[in-house]
Amino acid sequence: NAGVMQNPRHLVRRRGQEARLRCSPMKGHSHVYWYRQLPEEGLKFMVYLQKENIIDESGMPKERFSAEFPKEGPSILRIQQVVRGDSAAYFCASSPARGNYGYTFGSGTRLTVV
Amino acid sequence: DQQVKQNSPSLSVQEGRISILNCDYTNSMFDYFLWYKKYPAEGPTFLISISSIKDKNEDGRFTVFLNKSAKHLSLHIVPSQPGDSAVYFCAASNNNNDMRFGAGTRLTVKP
Repeated sequence: NAGVMQNPRHLVRRRGQEARLRCSPMKGHSHVYWYRQLPEEGLKFMVYLQKENIIDESGMPKERFSAEFPKEGPSILRIQQVVRGDSAAYFCASSPARGNYGYTFGSGTRLTVV
Repeated sequence: DQQVKQNSPSLSVQEGRISILNCDYTNSMFDYFLWYKKYPAEGPTFLISISSIKDKNEDGRFTVFLNKSAKHLSLHIVPSQPGDSAVYFCAASNNNNDMRFGAGTRLTVKP
């Protein structure tokens, strides 16, 4: 399966803990995008990364959230000191290049903060 | 900033009839538009797209119409089938920017 792989599918964290969400893009894709879907809401852009570079993080909350896409390995979305409001579905997508390409999405990670 | 808007959160249609999902955008720099379909507990899947140089693109039962002057696009599904029941997201991008999504419209096709 050469699709976008996200893990874990479900993640439960207590308030104050850290959450790490992983995304392996499709083979041949070097552009990764993270989106968040809050309950009953649409997909909100968070961050766009290319290998080792953050291209656009205009949708990332200023504090507690960070993302990386190292030269080797998956892209990581990291949320420190999680709060209940962080509970959401986090989707990763990838594309072969920047520009007018359709994104391929992963199945998402559902984060629940208790 | 809500650059892509889907003002109807839900739509219910009888099987066999036409489903029309609407989307408006504000950024005149967008030149590529897409529709994604999403089932519960799954990621969005690409459905159909249209470039700003066209006003219509058809793929089987799905047709997307683009009205650039009105900054409006729509997705027509005909005939609608129960398996089409899902959340449909409209998305827009330009060659230098990332894709922006609408809030989605939940389509229910009743048998």
